[in-house]
Amino acid sequence: IAGITQAPTSQILAAGRRMTLRCTQDMRHNAMYWYRQDLGLGLRLIHYSNTAGTTGKGEVPDGYSVSRANTDDFPLTLASAVPSQTSVYFCATRDGLNQPQHFGDGTRLSIL
Amino acid sequence: SQQGEEDPQALSIQEGENATMNCSYKTSINNLQWYRQNSGRGLVHLILIRSNEREKHSGRLRVTLDTSKKSSSLLITASRAADTASYFCATSNGQNFVFGPGTRLSVLP
Repeated sequence: IAGITQAPTSQILAAGRRMTLRCTQDMRHNAMYWYRQDLGLGLRLIHYSNTAGTTGKGEVPDGYSVSRANTDDFPLTLASAVPSQTSVYFCATRDGLNQPQHFGDGTRLSIL
Repeated sequence: SQQGEEDPQALSIQEGENATMNCSYKTSINNLQWYRQNSGRGLVHLILIRSNEREKHSGRLRVTLDTSKKSSSLLITASRAADTASYFCATSNGQNFVFGPGTRLSVLP
């Protein structure tokens, strides 16, 4: 079944540790996105990539980094996790302008 | 800052009634989209309306867009218990999206 796979589904992490959230798509969409969702705040864009080899900063990029080595994969890395990064993280893709986004089922991350 | 703001924050109705949710935004847009999110899941796209469109329908869903007022509404007719979810509007300038905080809809059987 075509779609977006995020891993892990949930994780508890000690503050200061490094963590990479994985996102893989099999739809060959050019654009990919990482959001965090916090209660009462909706989704906020962390980083995005319009095509393989390019990335850009979103609304809340600090403390996060991304890479886009190929079309299918868009990992999100927390270099040194802090408790304020406790959130649910969603990866999304889009197949061109004026097209909807497709979302994965998210990663629930708790930083202690 | 948030571009879209949904109203109301929460809505509770009886099955069979209509549900209306509103979205306001601040700057010019290329399109506006509505998404649905069931608890613990990702967002699912419902409808996209372009800035030159005023109304779109999809099944029991009706979306309107008033660019002069920078607002949109989502109407769900003949609601069902399965419509219980959070609904988000997202505005796009053609590049990225900005989501509002959402409306939590509860449809009571």
